[in-house]
Amino acid sequence: KAGVTQTPRYLIKTRGQQVTLSCSPISGHRSVSWYQQTPGQGLQFLFEYFSETQRNKGNFPGRFSGRQFSNSRSEMNVSTLELGDSALYLCASSEGLAGGDTDTQYFGPGTRLTVL
Amino acid sequence: GEDVEQSLFLSVREGDSSVINCTYTDSSSTYLYWYKQEPGAGLQLLTYIFSNMDMKQDQRLTVLLNKKDKHLSLRIADTQTGDSAIYFCAPPAGKSTFGDGTTLTVKP
Repeated sequence: KAGVTQTPRYLIKTRGQQVTLSCSPISGHRSVSWYQQTPGQGLQFLFEYFSETQRNKGNFPGRFSGRQFSNSRSEMNVSTLELGDSALYLCASSEGLAGGDTDTQYFGPGTRLTVL
Repeated sequence: GEDVEQSLFLSVREGDSSVINCTYTDSSSTYLYWYKQEPGAGLQLLTYIFSNMDMKQDQRLTVLLNKKDKHLSLRIADTQTGDSAIYFCAPPAGKSTFGDGTTLTVKP
C-alpha cells in the first residue's frame, strides 16, 4: 500500500496570505489528523477528521481550518498567515476505529511552511 | 486528552544501550506507541505495546510499560549512529499532543 502523501513538500508565503495544504491518507483509512511541529512547541495536535466530519480539535485559533472529502483526502487551510505559523505540518492517517483507543497513526513526510 | 512527558535530550556512545522514558496521563489508551523522526522527515512508527502487556521486544527495541506509574520506556540495544533522531511516545489517534519528544544523539 502507498503511504501517506502530502503536497506540497515545501512552501514559502508572506504574512497575511493564506495557504492550503493537502494530505492523501493510506488507502482504506478514514481518519486524518493534522499536527504542527515547531522547535519551541513540539508536536501539537491541530484537528482530526473522520468521514468528512471534524471529530477532535486541538487548541489553535480559527485561522486554522480543515476539511475532508468523501475519498478521505484532507486539506488544511491557514488564513492571514503570521510569522509564527512557520512550521512543519504533518498529517497522519488511521483506520478511524470507533473510540480511537486502538487507532494506529501513520505519518506523511510533512509540508515545510515558511512565512516571510 | 492525553499528555505525555519525556526528557528532551539523551546522548550515548555508539554500541551502548539507550533508554528513553515517557510518562503519560491517560490510562484509557489501549495501545501506546513509539515513533522516530529523522531530521526533516515525518514520524516513522517504530513499535507499540498493548496496554495489558508489561514488555515487548522487537529486535534491538524493548518497550517496558508500568501501568501503575503510567511510565513507558524504550530501550535500544547496541545503539548506532543511524539511531540519532527524535523519539516520541504517543497515544492512539486523536488523543492530543505528542509533546517535544526526546532527541537522541549517538556519538561514535
